[in-house]
Amino acid sequence: EAEVAQSPRYKITEKSQAVAFWCDPISGHATLYWYRQILGQGPELLVQFQDESVVDDSQLPKDRFSAERLKGVDSTLKIQPAELGDSAMYLCASSLSDSGNTIYFGEGSWLTVV
Amino acid sequence: SQKIEQNSEALNIQEGKTATLTCNYTNYSPAYLQWYRQDPGRGPVFLLLIRENEKEKRKERLKVTFDTTLKQSLFHITASQPADSATYLCALDSSNSGYALNFGKGTSLLVTP
Repeated sequence: EAEVAQSPRYKITEKSQAVAFWCDPISGHATLYWYRQILGQGPELLVQFQDESVVDDSQLPKDRFSAERLKGVDSTLKIQPAELGDSAMYLCASSLSDSGNTIYFGEGSWLTVV
Repeated sequence: SQKIEQNSEALNIQEGKTATLTCNYTNYSPAYLQWYRQDPGRGPVFLLLIRENEKEKRKERLKVTFDTTLKQSLFHITASQPADSATYLCALDSSNSGYALNFGKGTSLLVTP
């Protein structure tokens, strides 16, 4: 069964350093999402792509976070500079389209900022 | 503001019993509602989707109801097993520009033998 691939699985970084996460969605999925999940909370949407275009990035802290999906396939989420409060799991997900479809999540990238 | 509320307290039940989890929402007009399962340290996994014009949906030991008047969904696991122990997340389409899913905080279920 096709899966959403994410890397790295775990990342420890020092405060003020840069960190990047990579995601490869299920082949053929036009919609890609990045969610952030703090321990004990539900996933919160950071950014949504439809092909290579950003559909919704209203919750993305744009002063330090950036996301791109240049060729409409894989995607990168970057944080620079990292802050202690960024410690969380970053989940990538994809779906066939942007409405009424199942979202398939990757295993997530755990970030610890020290 | 939009809210999705799930029982914050963990639900502990005995194996074989029926587990019932609740999802209440405010300021949403969802076209559909979804339930996901999440195991510790893993990404959520889709379980069931129910549309606004459907009252009930079943899949094996799972049953979901959707009452758009009460703004509530109930998620049932019958004949529960220890392997059902996980966190269960309720999700609604945000109706923002991208119709992305908004998730509740989840309810932790523990099924003991």
